[in-house]
Amino acid sequence: ETGVTQSPTHLIKTRGQQVTLRCSSQSGHNTVSWYQQALGQGPQFIFQYYREEENGRGNFPPRFSGLQFPNYSSELNVNALELDDSALYLCASSLEGTGTDTQYFGPGTRLTVL
Amino acid sequence: SQKIEQNSEALNIQEGKTATLTCNYTNYSPAYLQWYRQDPGRGPVFLLLIRENEKEKRKERLKVTFDTTLKQSLFHITASQPADSATYLCALARTALIFGKGTTLSVSS
Repeated sequence: ETGVTQSPTHLIKTRGQQVTLRCSSQSGHNTVSWYQQALGQGPQFIFQYYREEENGRGNFPPRFSGLQFPNYSSELNVNALELDDSALYLCASSLEGTGTDTQYFGPGTRLTVL
Repeated sequence: SQKIEQNSEALNIQEGKTATLTCNYTNYSPAYLQWYRQDPGRGPVFLLLIRENEKEKRKERLKVTFDTTLKQSLFHITASQPADSATYLCALARTALIFGKGTTLSVSS
């Protein structure tokens, strides 16, 4: 059973650029959630995808968008990067995305916006 | 909106003692609450889930309690070890997780 993987590990961008982060779910999981974790804070929910459809969204602007593919891997896209977007971006997969589901997190992508 | 607070940012204890971490929540009555461990530069790892109708849950040296009247969960690590040093996060469980800021536990030998 393979775990959740994310790429790239680190990324440096400048303000105004666009970025795409990628996530491969754990085998057998059809739900992917994305979180943003600023330094010293807990992860904040961005959005969730269940079977390729968005299934919930946190308090993030529309320039944060995502996709889930038929193999249940996922992308997070951020347009018009701002300095405050610098954070660790975590992807988590789960079976059904319900409250009792264990979420399995990837190692994260560290994004730095200069 | 829902708010979840872990009222200690850092907790320092000696090896062998019991660590107790607190999680309080407001404006919501979760059916479930989850606890995760996060090591520096890594993603959180699931530890325990407790349901609103469960007062207590145990797993090896870990114990979680859930008091829906006080709107509080307590997380205990008994016989703590230096390897337990990490940040511990509690989360309200709905479709997604609403996390607290975490408590960083340091266990010294």
